[in-house]
Amino acid sequence: KNQVEQSPQSLIILEGKNCTLQCNYTVSPFSNLRWYKQDTGRGPVSLTIMTFSENTKSNGRYTATLDADTKQSSLHITASQLSDSASYICVVIFSYNQGGKLIFGQGTELSVKP
Amino acid sequence: DSGVTQTPKHLITATGQRVTLRCSPRSGDLSVYWYQQSLDQGLQFLIQYYNGEERAKGNILERFSAQQFPDLHSELNLSSLELGDSALYFCASSPRGGLGLYEQYFGPGTRLTVT
Repeated sequence: KNQVEQSPQSLIILEGKNCTLQCNYTVSPFSNLRWYKQDTGRGPVSLTIMTFSENTKSNGRYTATLDADTKQSSLHITASQLSDSASYICVVIFSYNQGGKLIFGQGTELSVKP
Repeated sequence: DSGVTQTPKHLITATGQRVTLRCSPRSGDLSVYWYQQSLDQGLQFLIQYYNGEERAKGNILERFSAQQFPDLHSELNLSSLELGDSALYFCASSPRGGLGLYEQYFGPGTRLTVT
C-alpha cells in the first residue's frame, strides 16, 4: 500500500463547476504537505504548502485542507476553467537535519470540459 | 517560465549506454533536486544537492550519480541504461537547503528514451 494515496485517479467535470481531490497518507508526522499542478509534459508547479499544524491554505481558486487526525488532505477547485485540466499531485515531505524524504502520490488527472 | 533550464530536451539512446543530463538552477538558488517521472512509478525524488554538497538521497539507483559544480549547475549521470530508465527527468531548484522547507521551481524536464 502506498504511503500517499490520491483519489479519484481521474475526474471529468464541466467548466465552471467545483471539484475536490483527495489525498490520504499513512506517514506522520511530517514537515509539510504540498499540492502541485502538472500540465502534460511540463514540470510541476506548486499550488499550496501546508505545515503539519495548518488546517487550510488558499491560492486563488485553489483551497487545500489538512486533517491530521484522519490523515487526509483535500484540494478544492472552485469555478473550474479549461486551463485547470492537468494532473494534481499530493506530496508529503519529511525534513530533518541534513536530509529528508519526499513521498509523492500517483496524482489525479483532471479534465475540464466546455 | 520557472527560470530553471535543462538540457537536452529529448534524448534517445540504446541500452547499456551512459548519458548526462544538465540543469541550471534559478539565479540565486543554492539547492538543486533531481526527479524521475515514469508512467508506472509516478514522480520520484532522486537526490538533492545544496551548494555543491549532497544533502538528501531518495530512490536513486547505484547506476545513477549526480554532482553540483561551483557555478551551481548540476549534472545527473545515468549509466548502464536499461529500458526501464526511460522517463522524464526533472530538475528543480530552491533558494536554500532544507528539504521541502522552501518553494521548489521545476525545469521543463529531459525526456529520455532507451531503446
